[in-house]
Amino acid sequence: KAGVTQTPRYLIKTRGQQVTLSCSPISGHRSVSWYQQTPGQGLQFLFEYFSETQRNKGNFPGRFSGRQFSNSRSEMNVSTLELGDSALYLCASSLVQGTGELFFGEGSRLTVL
Amino acid sequence: GESVGLHLPTLSVQEGDNSIINCAYSNSASDYFIWYKQESGKGPQFIIDIRSNMDKRQGQRVTVLLNKTVKHLSLQIAATQPGDSAVYFCAEGILTGGGNKLTFGTGTQLKVEL
Repeated sequence: KAGVTQTPRYLIKTRGQQVTLSCSPISGHRSVSWYQQTPGQGLQFLFEYFSETQRNKGNFPGRFSGRQFSNSRSEMNVSTLELGDSALYLCASSLVQGTGELFFGEGSRLTVL
Repeated sequence: GESVGLHLPTLSVQEGDNSIINCAYSNSASDYFIWYKQESGKGPQFIIDIRSNMDKRQGQRVTVLLNKTVKHLSLQIAATQPGDSAVYFCAEGILTGGGNKLTFGTGTQLKVEL
């Protein structure tokens, strides 16, 4: 069974631009979560989607948004990029709700110049 | 609790020894706790979880201990191997709402010396 797939793996943007990251969960997994990982702040929860509905949201500004499609694939978007948005963005899918067993992808490494 | 910190604490162990990685969690209302392993260039990988109504759980070569009195979680790895070298994160979650929102700790770098 294929794991969680994230695209693109690496990207470079400039301040003020916007970016869209994509995540394909493990087949059958309906929950998709997004996390931001930085050396300074560690792993921080962005949001979670289940059956196309955002179920949880972290403490990030409105520039960070996401969505989930009917096939459970998810995208997250960051608008008006800032230097501090440089990070590894991790997507995770899960089969069972309310547990900590998330299956993470390898992440999308965003660099903002 | 939010994860903070620029420098990860490091634990160095000899191959074959047992490793103990500690974590202090922040939310006494958390319902479950999890340990993740992250190797360089990869996403975190689930190791083991424990519900708040338990104080010990064992897996293959790993044991998680939970002390709710002092809000402390530990991961014990038996007979540590070079492949165990990675950053280990504890995380906590709450069942309310049925979601999977996790709060991660800062992480500990485990280095296995041959």
